[in-house]
Amino acid sequence: DGGITQSPKYLFRKEGQNVTLSCEQNLNHDAMYWYRQDPGQGLRLIYYSQIVNDFQKGDIAEGYSVSREKKESFPLTVTSAQKNPTAFYLCASSMWQGAFGYTFGSGTRLTVV
Amino acid sequence: AQKVTQAQTEISVVEKEDVTLDCVYETRDTTYYLFWYKQPPSGELVFLIRRNSFDEQNEISGRYSWNFQKSTSSFNFTITASQVVDSAVYFCALSEADTDKLIFGTGTRLQVFP
Repeated sequence: DGGITQSPKYLFRKEGQNVTLSCEQNLNHDAMYWYRQDPGQGLRLIYYSQIVNDFQKGDIAEGYSVSREKKESFPLTVTSAQKNPTAFYLCASSMWQGAFGYTFGSGTRLTVV
Repeated sequence: AQKVTQAQTEISVVEKEDVTLDCVYETRDTTYYLFWYKQPPSGELVFLIRRNSFDEQNEISGRYSWNFQKSTSSFNFTITASQVVDSAVYFCALSEADTDKLIFGTGTRLQVFP
């Protein structure tokens, strides 16, 4: 079955640590996205990538980094510079721009302990 | 600028009631796309519908229906005879034809009580 796999489902981080969230898709989609969702709030775009080896900042990129070395993979690193990283992180992909909508992964819930 | 407004933060209904979720959008483009997604407690967003700006026909899919009105820039979603399984957060989203991003509303949490 085609889809997006995010791992891990739950992640705990100590303050000052960097952590990497995985996102893999087998849909052959060109574009991939990372969103952050806080309780009771909507989705905020962190980073997105339209093609391999290229990515753009979204609305809240500070404290995050990404890479796009393969079409299938778009990992997100939450760095120690992100002051409030506890949130639900969603990865998505789309066939071409946003015209066809996104397919979402099941999310990673990150908690700072 | 693009914007999506979902003014209803939370709606509570009793099973079998009909409920309408409102969505108002802003865009300067004549070609754009509108979407509704459902986010159940598990967290994953589930695609419900896509509508392009040239197709104002209302759509019905089982208990779900969508009313697209360009004159009022609205794309409202109605659930008929709601069920407990409809309890979720529902997001409306907009994409302009030449952009890379979906713009999401803040979502409406629907609670259906038995």
